[in-house]
Parts: sequence; structure tokens; C-alpha cells
Amino acid sequence: DADVTQTPRNRITKTGKRIMLECSQTKGHDRMYWYRQDPGLGLRLIYYSFDVKDINKGEISDGYSVSRQAQAKFSLSLESAIPNQTALYFCATNDQGGGDTQYFGPGTRLTVL
Amino acid sequence: GDSVTQMEGPVTLSEEAFLTINCTYTATGYPSLFWYVQYPGEGLQLLLKATKADDKGSNKGFEATYRKETTSFHLEKGSVQVSDSAVYFCALRPPQAGTALIFGKGTTLSVSS
Repeated sequence: DADVTQTPRNRITKTGKRIMLECSQTKGHDRMYWYRQDPGLGLRLIYYSFDVKDINKGEISDGYSVSRQAQAKFSLSLESAIPNQTALYFCATNDQGGGDTQYFGPGTRLTVL
Repeated sequence: GDSVTQMEGPVTLSEEAFLTINCTYTATGYPSLFWYVQYPGEGLQLLLKATKADDKGSNKGFEATYRKETTSFHLEKGSVQVSDSAVYFCALRPPQAGTALIFGKGTTLSVSS
């Protein structure tokens, strides 16, 4: 089984809808991240969490919110989706004590019509 | 602020050609440096890393040397294969505690037989 899983893998939604992307990890890591990937822009950090009680905004947090429900779960929400949020979204984890390597999920492709 | 600049792609090579993908960074202090690779349809995975000046990271025939004097971490491989076709991301982690990775925009490599 994969160490970092994301659901759904693909989602098509309409403008104005609320949508939640979920991330779970079995690595026991305390740190989790949400990125979005756009062609020509690379990966940009949306939110990150260093433990269950810690939530931090990243470079592009506007229009997004997150919830760290447990050490192993970190959800990203779009309260009212808009077309320019169409992108590939990645969750990642790493361990404070285990070095800097981040482990990525397979990604969620989100299309907002 | 801290940033990573990597060469624009796409890079198109024939099998067995020599590969260089340039990466330079801006950071205060001594960041950790990384190369991640994204194969088609997958998430990112760590290719190699270096945590201090003059360190050389290597994996799967790829190498990169942390050059503090030129603030660079160029990726090289002596003989590429078709299976190396992917998107390559240079990244840094600032030395300050509690910081996330900063990624470059990615370079697409296409290798033909």
C-alpha cells in the first residue's frame, strides 16, 4: 500500500461548489503539506502543518482552507471553487526527526468548470 | 526571500547523451538542496540531496554538487535513457527551523531512442 494516499484522484466540479481533497499517510510523520502544480509554474505551497495543532499559510493560501484532523490526515478545502483553481494538487509529508525528504502522494487532478 | 531558479525546458536529448539541468538558488545561510523527479502521471519523488557545501548527491547515475560559491546545484547524468524522461525539480529548504521546501518551476526532459 502507498504511504501517502490522496482522494479523489480526479474530480470535475462547477464554479461555486465546495470541494474537499483528502490526504492520508501511514509513515507516522508529523509534518504535512499541500501544493498545487500548474504548467510553467512548478509547485507552489498552499498550506502546511507541523503537527495537529499547527497550521500555516503558504505562498498561495487565498481561496483555500485546511483541516488537520489527526496526525495522519490533512484535508484541503475549496469553499467556493473557481476555474483558476483548476490544477494538480499534491499532498506531501516529512518527519521532523527524519531529515528533510518530503514524500509525495500521487496527486489529485481538479477541474473547475 | 529564498528562491530557486532552474533552466527552462523542455530539454530534448537522444539516448546516451550527456545531461545537464542548471539550478541556482538564493538563500541566507546554508540551505539543504534537493532534486526531485516526477514521472508521467505520478507524484514527485526524491532523486538526490545535499545538505552542506561541497557535498555531492548521487542516485541512479545522476549527480549534483552543492556549490556555495556559485549558489548552484546543477543536475548531471553521463548517459541518459528513455526511461529518464520526466520533469525534474530543484528545491531548497532554508536553514531556519520550521520552514517548508521551496521548489523551482521544473524542467521537462524528453529522451528519444
